[in-house]
Parts: sequence; structure tokens; C-alpha cells
Amino acid sequence: KQEVTQIPAALSVPEGENLVLNCSFTDSAIYNLQWFRQDPGKGLTSLLLIQSSQREQTSGRLNASLDKSSGRSTLYIAASQPGDSATYLCAVGSGAQKLVFGQGTRLTINP
Amino acid sequence: DGGITQSPKYLFRKEGQNVTLSCEQNLNHDAMYWYRQDPGQGLRLIYYSQIVNDFQKGDIAEGYSVSREKKESFPLTVTSAQKNPTAFYLCASSPRQGEGYTFGSGTRLTVV
Repeated sequence: KQEVTQIPAALSVPEGENLVLNCSFTDSAIYNLQWFRQDPGKGLTSLLLIQSSQREQTSGRLNASLDKSSGRSTLYIAASQPGDSATYLCAVGSGAQKLVFGQGTRLTINP
Repeated sequence: DGGITQSPKYLFRKEGQNVTLSCEQNLNHDAMYWYRQDPGQGLRLIYYSQIVNDFQKGDIAEGYSVSREKKESFPLTVTSAQKNPTAFYLCASSPRQGEGYTFGSGTRLTVV
């Protein structure tokens, strides 16, 4: 059974710092990995989607990498801003179009 | 604009009642999903449907039922058999396997 773990569970950094969020998964037989952002009481907003054949994807200040063989992905946020404060969720697509989620990293950017 | 609409945003259920959560998408996606989110437990899959008139149980289907009579709609019924229904419910869709998911804004269900 696929299990997804995100470390750390919470992170607080000053504005302007570059930071890395980590995601690991137990079964490397995935077809994609998706990073989401969730604001309190809201739905999920897709940030980046990496197909299993890809190594990384970039969107603006965000860069996500994927290493299937080691079961790891990282989300890099450059020049963090207070508006980046949210919970970041990693989800792995494996089997019958089902996404398996990590428990998220709650990020706080301090002005 | 294309997207997923969930309604209502807030829902209150009395003990012993069945309630239905609505999920509608205009993205022309084939697959639709229902997830439940509890504090500290992440998202767990309740039911999913890859095509009209077909659906499959997820990891926590007990006490829930769904239907998929139209491509655009995937309503979730929380039955009285669900002993702990208070949670945040999220609906999602995807065009096909390997494609990304799009989520709705969620319904918060509370038992009163």
C-alpha cells in the first residue's frame, strides 16, 4: 500500500528566504506526483504536476523535483513571501487514477 | 470559467439523517473523486468514478453512497450509518489517468 510522508509538519521562516519542502513515498510505481496548496478552510489549488517520466517542473518561484528510484520529491520556494503561507500537500498518483496524499506541511512566512 | 462547484459550503446534520453533498464539474473530465479531510489525518478517498454509471469504493466508503448518472455530476450521500461524519469533504476530477486533479472548494459537514 502506497504511503506518503511529508517533512516537516510545520515550518516558519522569515520573508525572503528560500526553502525546501520534502515528500517521500514508499512505492516507486507511480504515474505522477502533484503538489497542492491549501489555505485555511478552502479547497486545494494545484501548483505543479510531475509525470513519472519527468525529473522536475517549474512555475514562477516554485520548482518541484522527482526522484522515483529513491521515492522522493522536493518543492523549492524561492524568495518566500507572506502570501505563500499555507499548507502544502504532496500527492502521488498510483493505481486506478487514485491520488494518495501526505499529511501536509504547514508553512508560515513571517514579514 | 471551467471548474468544480461544491454545494453547500456548510452543512449541518442531525443524528440519524441522511444528507447529500453536491459536486458539479464543467471541465469535461471523465473521472471524479470524493475525499474526506480530518485534522491531522490528511485526505482519504471515499469513492471514485472513472466513467458514467460506474463507481468504486475508496479506502473509507462505509456509511457513504454515490451515484454517477451524468458526466458532470457526482453527488455524495452521507448516511446515518456513518458514525463520525463531521469533516471537510472535497470533490475532485481528472481528465484521465496520468493527468492532474482539479479540486472544488469543499463542504464542511457538522453533526448537531
